[in-house]
Amino acid sequence: SQQGEEDPQALSIQEGENATMNCSYKTSINNLQWYRQNSGRGLVHLILIRSNEREKHSGRLRVTLDTSKKSSSLLITASRAADTASYFCATLNYGGSQGNLIFGKGTKLSVKP
Amino acid sequence: DSGVTQTPKHLITATGQRVTLRCSPRSGDLSVYWYQQSLDQGLQFLIQYYNGEERAKGNILERFSAQQFPDLHSELNLSSLELGDSALYFCASSPSGGSYLYEQYFGPGTRLTVT
Repeated sequence: SQQGEEDPQALSIQEGENATMNCSYKTSINNLQWYRQNSGRGLVHLILIRSNEREKHSGRLRVTLDTSKKSSSLLITASRAADTASYFCATLNYGGSQGNLIFGKGTKLSVKP
Repeated sequence: DSGVTQTPKHLITATGQRVTLRCSPRSGDLSVYWYQQSLDQGLQFLIQYYNGEERAKGNILERFSAQQFPDLHSELNLSSLELGDSALYFCASSPSGGSYLYEQYFGPGTRLTVT
């Protein structure tokens, strides 16, 4: 079952614009992670934010986490055509020693040159 | 390159058959996770192994099984295949048994087509 739900499902922007994707989740989390997937390929880890963090930056990426609203957002600034991919948020299955991730359905980002 | 390898890249087989997917984790990673990605179900966790032992089970069918060997590579066995098993199967690894501190590193996946 999906834990995270990304919004929007699809996003189309011009190169140079910012892209914002949102993720909502249902249960308590240890951390929330964002992954990128180029068409039909493996997932690439982008950023991990712990439940006690509110914001994190990595290059052109900015992630925020609001545990009171059970939501996170991923901002990609100054987007490039190479950013075209699907983006997934994933939460840790909280409880015991389990470490599997629960993924949302993803946001498909298209950046037009 | 994540350091996780999966073979084969593509697999085409018929209904009712059995296949084995193989995964080698990153050097030093003790945990291996298997995920299935299909259009209708999205990315679903199947099973996790940690240092040779099963750690967690997700939406894994009884027709599917996995194991992790002493050298830490893992195999996912899919039997009595059905058309609906057609999907991308990903393996991921991480250093520890839980993802509290660590991200997971994904392999390139095996695309399984059942005809």
